[in-house]
Amino acid sequence: AQTVTQSQPEMSVQEAETVTLSCTYDTSESDYYLFWYKQPPSRQMILVIRQEAYKQQNATENRFSVNFQKAAKSFSLKISDSQLGDAAMYFCAYRSANRDDKIIFGKGTRLHILP
Amino acid sequence: NAGVTQTPKFRILKIGQSMTLQCTQDMNHNYMYWYRQDPGMGLKLIYYSVGAGITDKGEVPNGYNVSRSTTEDFPLRLELAAPSQTSVYFCASSKTTGTDTQYFGPGTRLTVL
Repeated sequence: AQTVTQSQPEMSVQEAETVTLSCTYDTSESDYYLFWYKQPPSRQMILVIRQEAYKQQNATENRFSVNFQKAAKSFSLKISDSQLGDAAMYFCAYRSANRDDKIIFGKGTRLHILP
Repeated sequence: NAGVTQTPKFRILKIGQSMTLQCTQDMNHNYMYWYRQDPGMGLKLIYYSVGAGITDKGEVPNGYNVSRSTTEDFPLRLELAAPSQTSVYFCASSKTTGTDTQYFGPGTRLTVL
């Protein structure tokens, strides 16, 4: 069965600095998708970035980028120039390309931004 | 567009009571999902639907039922509520599957006492 592991329950970063959130996953599938979602105190889930497993190039969205290591089954999120509005829970998620019901979330990392 | 709306925002149930959580999307999305989020945990898929009239179980379907009579609505029914169903429930929708963005509703916080 697929699993998603976020080993850092909480992290803190100084405003304007860079922080990296870790995510590892386990799967026997070769075709899948990976996501990072942000959940601020409002509880709304917001998609931050996504990556197709067949793409070698790492996805980038403005200040957010990923380091996708398929062989190592690692999918870390880097946030550059951290801002106070980045404070939230961040969830890593795995989605099978072959089955609509296979959407698996990690337990999340709470990110604090220090002014 | 309102996006994905959920009602109610909060609810307290007694053990054994039943209720329906409402979810509506106005984006003409084919795919809709129900998740639950327990404290300190990620989301777990309860049920999903790939179109009107088609539903299927996710990872944690026991104690729940769904229906999808229209493209817009995807209600989640709790029968015989139990304390283990205390959670925050999220509805989401997407146009297709794969990397297509899932749009989430604001959530319903349910407490079963």
